[in-house]
Amino acid sequence: DAGVIQSPRHEVTEMGQEVTLRCKPISGHDYLFWYRQTMMRGLELLIYFNNNVPIDDSGMPEDRFSAKMPNASFSTLKIQPSEPRDSAVYFCASSFGARNTEAFFGQGTRLTVV
Amino acid sequence: GDSVTQMEGPVTLSEEAFLTINCTYTATGYPSLFWYVQYPGEGLQLLLKATKADDKGSNKGFEATYRKETTSFHLEKGSVQVSDSAVYFCALSEGAVGGGADGLTFGKGTHLIIQP
Repeated sequence: DAGVIQSPRHEVTEMGQEVTLRCKPISGHDYLFWYRQTMMRGLELLIYFNNNVPIDDSGMPEDRFSAKMPNASFSTLKIQPSEPRDSAVYFCASSFGARNTEAFFGQGTRLTVV
Repeated sequence: GDSVTQMEGPVTLSEEAFLTINCTYTATGYPSLFWYVQYPGEGLQLLLKATKADDKGSNKGFEATYRKETTSFHLEKGSVQVSDSAVYFCALSEGAVGGGADGLTFGKGTHLIIQP
């Protein structure tokens, strides 16, 4: 398997624009997680899915953030409208099970909002 | 709730020095413990793990022992190399039964710099 695949690797956008980040999890994994990494706050869990169903979105910072998982092989994280404080590295991770199990991370999307 | 505390960095060492990065945790159940490593510009990779008390995880010369009595999982390496320079994250995952959160709870990460 190619691992967790995220796109794009880098995104630069202007404040107010819509941004969509994409993730393809490892085939057969039933959990998908979206994390945000910043220098100030470290790694924060934004939302996670089990069998394509959102389970906990309490980490999503604002209504400007939304995530979907239309099928087992694809998920998106959307920010609309984007703001400079959204600049961060966004990671997608997948796992088989959610407890006592390791997660496999993508390479991340570095988002810069100017 | 669950939490992981690890020493803040950066930690700067000379090549061949002994490394310890401390990690302690708070969990509602009986968690599994992990160390992840992040190289510059990359995602997190699993370095090692332990699933029960007194287990020792090891990989690439790194070791960590699950100490339930002290709720710790300190990372050690006897002789570090320049290529070990990275950010190291301690994490826990709750057990299959009982309370606590799904998924991984991470510490804030420790930036390790190895100088030649």
